[in-house]
Amino acid sequence: EVQLVESGGGLVQPGGSLRLSCAASGFTFSSYSMNWVRQAPGKGLEWVSYISSSSSTIYYADSVKGRFTISRDNAKNSLYLQMNSLRAEDTAVYYCARVQAGGWLYWGQGTLVTVSS
Amino acid sequence: AIRMTQSPSSFSASTGDRVTITCRASQGISSYLAWYQQKPGKAPKLLIYAASTLQSGVPSRFSGSGSGTDFTLTISCLQSEDFATYYCQQYYSYPLFTFGPGTKVDIK
Repeated sequence: EVQLVESGGGLVQPGGSLRLSCAASGFTFSSYSMNWVRQAPGKGLEWVSYISSSSSTIYYADSVKGRFTISRDNAKNSLYLQMNSLRAEDTAVYYCARVQAGGWLYWGQGTLVTVSS
Repeated sequence: AIRMTQSPSSFSASTGDRVTITCRASQGISSYLAWYQQKPGKAPKLLIYAASTLQSGVPSRFSGSGSGTDFTLTISCLQSEDFATYYCQQYYSYPLFTFGPGTKVDIK
């Protein structure tokens, strides 16, 4: 069974940093590209970042470019999102999702990041 | 960047109704479109991909159509478990993905 489990969310002050993790199981993690997607309270889904299976290709949404860094460790079946210079507008539930041809079938349960003083 | 719009943003319906949600892309995306259902506190669930292909296990009352810039999601006979928010997503510009703003379907 495919499982994606996010962790690392919490309360952080504006300007602070946080590192999210996504633990993958039930599939060959090193064969799949992965994404981070976020959802602000009461708002829609926003794609945040993409990383290819080998980490050779990385993309970010303009809203996080220069502040967030996506990475992965295929040996540990883990995906990461390092978030720096956090702002109030980064407050959201952050999901990891597995990329596949035609839609994203597998998502984690999400981890809440709250940026507030 | 490709922008996605959806209409309506929300509406009320009754069980048994036939409902249609529209999604429009700012440029042609062929059939590189997926639809998701999301319930409060849950991750999105993939319903349809390639604009009209039903994901395995999704009830046949859900259907999708369209290509280019205009797409629709239809629920032929609304059930109680279908009250949720629906999002379209383009993956034509892979790996730069865009979601629509969502359409909330609630009970009349």
